[in-house]
Amino acid sequence: KAGVTQTPRYLIKTRGQQVTLSCSPISGHRSVSWYQQTPGQGLQFLFEYFSETQRNKGNFPGRFSGRQFSNSRSEMNVSTLELGDSALYLCASSGGTASIDPLHFGNGTRLTVT
Amino acid sequence: EDQVTQSPEALRLQEGESSSLNCSYTVSGLRGLFWYRQDPGKGPEFLFTLYSAGEEKEKERLKATLTKKESFLHITAPKPEDSATYLCAVQATSTSGSRLTFGEGTQLTVNP
Repeated sequence: KAGVTQTPRYLIKTRGQQVTLSCSPISGHRSVSWYQQTPGQGLQFLFEYFSETQRNKGNFPGRFSGRQFSNSRSEMNVSTLELGDSALYLCASSGGTASIDPLHFGNGTRLTVT
Repeated sequence: EDQVTQSPEALRLQEGESSSLNCSYTVSGLRGLFWYRQDPGKGPEFLFTLYSAGEEKEKERLKATLTKKESFLHITAPKPEDSATYLCAVQATSTSGSRLTFGEGTQLTVNP
């Protein structure tokens, strides 16, 4: 069974630009979550989507947004990039229907903002 | 607010030298506690889920235990391939969906 796939693996952008990251979940998984990982803050929850609806949202500014498609694939968008947005962005999927399902993570997209 | 604190931040062991990693948590109600392993340049890899105090789970050289305030990841006779960052996370009963709160991790190095 294929794991969670994130594209691209690396991105370099300039301040003020916007970026879109993509995530394909494990087949059959309906929940997709996004996390930001930085050396100082660890993993911080961005948002979760289930059946194309945002189910949960973390404490990030509105510049961070996401969506989920009918095939469960998800994208996240960051507009007006700031230097502090440089991080590893991780996508995770789970079945989403059981009361507790472990998250399965992709290998992330490394975003560098210059 | 849910909080997870892991200690130590970094741990260096000799091959075969057993030790434990600590994860202290504060959560209004615990739905589950998770342990993950993360290798450099990769995403976290799921290891265990613990649900209630007194529960234990084992996988190869790893054993995870849970009390009402903390969890331990015991590593018995570690090998160099066990070197990684180990992450602990909690899911609260008040959370809808799959949201996890993570600790900052323990970076384990096992020297041959």
